[in-house]
Amino acid sequence: DAKTTQPPSMDCAEGRAANLPCNHSTISGNEYVYWYRQIHSQGPQYIIHGLKNNETNEMASLIITEDRKSSTLILPHATLRDTAVYYCIVRVENTDKLIFGTGTRLQVFP
Amino acid sequence: NAGVMQNPRHLVRRRGQEARLRCSPMKGHSHVYWYRQLPEEGLKFMVYLQKENIIDESGMPKERFSAEFPKEGPSILRIQQVVRGDSAAYFCASSPRWGNYGYTFGSGTRLTVV
Repeated sequence: DAKTTQPPSMDCAEGRAANLPCNHSTISGNEYVYWYRQIHSQGPQYIIHGLKNNETNEMASLIITEDRKSSTLILPHATLRDTAVYYCIVRVENTDKLIFGTGTRLQVFP
Repeated sequence: NAGVMQNPRHLVRRRGQEARLRCSPMKGHSHVYWYRQLPEEGLKFMVYLQKENIIDESGMPKERFSAEFPKEGPSILRIQQVVRGDSAAYFCASSPRWGNYGYTFGSGTRLTVV
């Protein structure tokens, strides 16, 4: 079973920041938090991952709470093309499995 | 540098036939992962392979399903005697090595069993 909990859906206005929350209260010390998204029925696209520190790349920022029990993916300026299902995944220690939950369906509207 | 290539994109098989799904990883990637996505569900891990080795097949159904990643050529996911419940999207991902890397996924093969 997925070790994460996400809201099933969210809306965001185009040009605004999209903040997608994720709870992972049972995360272990060496487990990373990964974010992927799936646009329509395409293959999942890697966005970002982190362990303890906040991370930023050209796509998004990842904010992880100090106790690591939750995190937030931030898309700073959402566009219509960011409409997708976003998956928050805790990578099981010492395995290569990604356990996908049901994700958050983000709808960006004009 | 082409991404992960999967073919065919769409595959239709009658019940009882065999389905072969192919995955060519990104150049330089020697680790391949197969996932299945049933309609309206999230992706489920099936199998993890390195060249000529199956590392983790804990997500593979016990019967009819097999996977290989030969020294030369693409990785193959083989489903024998397909049933309607095998209808799904099958995604392949690759990575350059074991560790904390983001995987690159292919566009998937959509299998329909009629």
